[in-house]
Amino acid sequence: DIQMTQSPSTLSASVGDRVTITCRASQSISRWLAWYQQKPGKAPKLLIYDASSLESGVPSRFSGSGSGTEFTLTISSLHPEDFASYYCQQYHSYSPWTFGQGTKVEIK
Amino acid sequence: EVQLLESGGGLVQPGGSLRLSCAASGFTFSSYGMSWVRQAPGKGLDWVSVISGSSGSTYYADSVKGRFIMSRDNSKKTLYLEMSGLRAEDTAIYYCARTSGPNGGYFDSWGLGTLVSVSS
Repeated sequence: DIQMTQSPSTLSASVGDRVTITCRASQSISRWLAWYQQKPGKAPKLLIYDASSLESGVPSRFSGSGSGTEFTLTISSLHPEDFASYYCQQYHSYSPWTFGQGTKVEIK
Repeated sequence: EVQLLESGGGLVQPGGSLRLSCAASGFTFSSYGMSWVRQAPGKGLDWVSVISGSSGSTYYADSVKGRFIMSRDNSKKTLYLEMSGLRAEDTAIYYCARTSGPNGGYFDSWGLGTLVSVSS
């Protein structure tokens, strides 16, 4: 199985900060990576797919980059509604698809 | 608008069985692979199973293989997850999710989830 490791696990930031979350794969997954946002009590929401493609309706302050084994999600300027948990997911190999353990973005 | 609505969750004893359903609307159901993804209380996301759009081919996480069976009825636009031999570690919110490709990929739409609690 491909293991996905996110860092940091928790991130404290302020409104307006630039935030970067890293996701590392245990083997190369090309660009087969997605990012999700999840707020408490809600279902996850797709933000980014294919490492850097922005899902329709997602604000442009979210961006993704990377390939191979290292990927980043960047929020260029944190808005109040961005305080949430973020997960990466690889879909390189047919099965199983695996998620990172999550990064919680908290208010500093 | 894509809508997915899960049902069938509840409290079940260890070793018991449960059947989850997911009613889909707003898209051509038979054209998409569909998945179940679960989340234990306070934990991260865990992919459970996927079924292809037309052929009905299925894949399962090792943790549920042999105990869970995923199926779909394209005429009813409904997805199912038959769970048996339930264990405490199966306690989670179960989400159905539309999958980007016919046999898997990323999850571009999610239901609200249904809670399964396994406890005596």
